[in-house]
Amino acid sequence: DAGVTQSPTHLIKTRGQQVTLRCSPKSGHDTVSWYQQALGQGPQFIFQYYEEEERQRGNFPDRFSGHQFPNYSSELNVNALLLGDSALYLCASSLVAGDYNEQFFGPGTRLTVL
Amino acid sequence: AQSVTQLDSHVSVSEGTPVLLRCNYSSSYSPSLFWYVQHPNKGLQLLLKYTSAATLVKGINGFEAEFKKSETSFHLTKPSAHMSDAAEYFCVVSKPGNQFYFGTGTSLTVIP
Repeated sequence: DAGVTQSPTHLIKTRGQQVTLRCSPKSGHDTVSWYQQALGQGPQFIFQYYEEEERQRGNFPDRFSGHQFPNYSSELNVNALLLGDSALYLCASSLVAGDYNEQFFGPGTRLTVL
Repeated sequence: AQSVTQLDSHVSVSEGTPVLLRCNYSSSYSPSLFWYVQHPNKGLQLLLKYTSAATLVKGINGFEAEFKKSETSFHLTKPSAHMSDAAEYFCVVSKPGNQFYFGTGTSLTVIP
């Protein structure tokens, strides 16, 4: 059983560009959450998708957007990249049924903005 | 509002000695609490979770945590550290809807 997978592993972009990160959830999971982890910090919640809709959102600007597909996979899009967007982006999957469920994390995508 | 404070950014212990990583939380709800571990260049792995059942929670690799409501604490312990325990540890509080709030992490160093 494959766990949470993310692609690409690493990405280098320049300021002002746009980027798309991808995530496939653990088999059987229907909810995907995205987190940003800056160097030396804990992950910060960006947003969560369930049934192809954004269910919750953290304190991130509209430059951050996402999508969930019918097969539960998800994309994170960031427009107009800033140097401060350089971070490890983590995807986590879970089951929506019942709150306080464990989230399973992928290995992350390391984004560097030059 | 939900928040987590990890009281130590770095902890060093000798191999074979006890480990204590401290976490205090704040939650508007009856909280669910988790400890995750992050090894270099690897994903976050769940160590244990508290969801209003037993206050003493046992996790993987010999780790335990005790939920103390009166002290709003959820400290992580292990009786005997192993070299493979060296990693970053995160305390997490969850609110309904499964939004996770992470602490800033504690880096554990194990000295041979």
